[in-house]
Formats: sequence, structure tokens, C-alpha cells
Amino acid sequence: QVQLQESGPGLVKPSETLSLTCTVSGGSVSSGTYYWSWIRQPPGKGLEWIGYVYYSGSTNYNPSLKSRVTISVDTSKNQFSLKLSSVTAADTAVYYCARLVLWFGELNFFDYWGQGTLVTVSS
Amino acid sequence: QSALTQPASVSGSPGQSITISCTGTSSDVGSYNLVSWYQHHPGKAPKLMIYEVSKRPSGVSNRFSGSKSGNTASLTISGLQAEDEADYYCCSYAGSSTFGIFGGGTKLTVL
Repeated sequence: QVQLQESGPGLVKPSETLSLTCTVSGGSVSSGTYYWSWIRQPPGKGLEWIGYVYYSGSTNYNPSLKSRVTISVDTSKNQFSLKLSSVTAADTAVYYCARLVLWFGELNFFDYWGQGTLVTVSS
Repeated sequence: QSALTQPASVSGSPGQSITISCTGTSSDVGSYNLVSWYQHHPGKAPKLMIYEVSKRPSGVSNRFSGSKSGNTASLTISGLQAEDEADYYCCSYAGSSTFGIFGGGTKLTVL
């Protein structure tokens, strides 16, 4: 059974960089079949796709966040990571990592998710 | 691009059927058969319930079904059970530039 677990600071100061890591167990981030994604949910709002990374390091980001987001993969640790720079209170959210299946490059579905971690942006 | 539109809440009694709608546009739901649905119990990992509009992953009850008409996708849960009480989210591919878009979520209450 594939499991994903988010980790990282729960509190980040405005203008700083949010950094989270997702550790994958029961599966390999090096699998060529899957992509590895970050999704977030601000309090009281819906889900928002942030971006994804492939084991090769190739990425795709939500255009609305692209200028501030970096997603990377560490195959030796079976992990992938999210960095979001210049954060504001609007970036306060529960952040989820998930395994993504594409259909000829198009988003098909997220089949495994982590439980999510709340990150609050506040001084 | 705006989020897909879902009703904020729906409710039903045990044994009944309910349907949750997910309305998008001709740029997302209306153009692609790549709609998925997720069940989320607060504090737990979201669970994939439906993909490619109407397909069920292995292990998901056949009480859950999906469909699409035009720009609106729907999730139907038949034979409601107490354990179905959760938040439900739809998701659609939205073209190469936007890529993925979610609905705002629907809270299902089993009365």
C-alpha cells in the first residue's frame, strides 16, 4: 500500500519561504508511471493544485503560483519537496502531497494522498 | 480560471440516494472525460472514488457512480450509509495552461 507523509514547519513568517517534504513509502518516486504532486486547501476553501514533479526532475506548475514555486525530487530518499517563496497570509493552508496519474500528459487523477499538514503564515 | 462549482452541502437519510453536481465550462469538464471525485474525511487522506468520469478504482463500493452531461459532472451515492458522511471534491483537467482545477467541495450529511 502506497503511503505519503508530509513534513515541515507549521509556521512560516510573511515574506519567507515555505518548505515541505513528502516521504513516500510502499512505492518508488522513481517509477516512470507516476508523477508527484502538491495540492493545498486554504481554510474554508476548496482544493488548489500547486504543481507536480516527475522522477527525472521535470515539473509543471499552476500558472498562478509558478513564479514562487519550486518542486523537486530526491530519488535516493524517496521524497519530493515543495518550496513556496515570498509567502503571505493567503498562503495559509493545509498542504497535501499526492501521487498523480496522467493520461497522455493530461491530468487524470490523484490516487494516493497524504493526510495533509497545516502551514500558517504569520509573524 | 475559477474553481468548479459544487453545492456547499447535500444531505440524505440512510438507504437513500444523493447526487452531487460539479459544474465547469467548455474549457474543462465539457471538453475532457478526465473528471475525478474524492472523498475526504477531515483529518484523513482524501480518497479517490471515481476517475475518468465514471470509472471506479478497485475497492470502491459500487454504490458510488459518476456521470457527465455537457459542462456538468455528477457523483451519485446510492444506499447512503453513515460512513459516507464526508466532504466530496471533483477535479477536472482544464487544458495545458491551467492543467488541473478542483471544485469547492460538498459536505455530505447523512441524517
